[in-house]
Amino acid sequence: QSTLTQPASVSGSPGQSIAISCTGTSSDVGGYNYVSWYQQYPGEAPKLIIYEVSDRPSGVSNRFSGSKSGNTASLTISGLQAEDEAIYYCSAYTSTSIPVIFGGGTKLTVL
Amino acid sequence: QVQLQESGPGLVKPSETLSLTCTVSGGSISPYYWTWIRQPPGKGPEWIGYFYSGGTTKYNPSLKSRVSISLDTSKNQFSLNLNSVTAADTAVYYCARDPRHWYFDLWGRGIQVSVSS
Repeated sequence: QSTLTQPASVSGSPGQSIAISCTGTSSDVGGYNYVSWYQQYPGEAPKLIIYEVSDRPSGVSNRFSGSKSGNTASLTISGLQAEDEAIYYCSAYTSTSIPVIFGGGTKLTVL
Repeated sequence: QVQLQESGPGLVKPSETLSLTCTVSGGSISPYYWTWIRQPPGKGPEWIGYFYSGGTTKYNPSLKSRVSISLDTSKNQFSLNLNSVTAADTAVYYCARDPRHWYFDLWGRGIQVSVSS
């Protein structure tokens, strides 16, 4: 699999919680705990917000959390804020020849 | 505070070689996997490859015959060369740091590279 599958868009109102899914296979998401999530604002570089499925780098809000079930990983954002409006990408290690693949990205709109 | 900064030409002609450099400031080159990632317009990122500070390299098989990454520890820089470029290589190119496989905790601001005559 060359890319991971993410919904093109999700939306939520301030204060709500949303989840973004990232579906792969047993050769990537399902087989290893090397799933990471990135937040990207227009014109900026991606920023790491979750690594190794559920760990948060220092300085990242605890409103961001990650999980995995089978071949699908999820990013949950609780207490939505206007500043969360961005594109979110998942990434995973894969045992195929590429070693790292990304999802196509999910645009989060805060209503 | 460690920072990464890409530099190089923003326009490359078809069939020529794309050459970019990433300068690492404020921190050590070791022991990290220094990585290049690109993002075509409107698409998700694509992993290009890395140079590990211990001396090994690994590349995306789809680019393997055209790509090389090198590391200059004396200058705290690592570089990307991609030859025989086509319009499909047009993208924003990012340098990034992978601290222990397989995630990227630090990114440069990115550099737009267009392939056009």
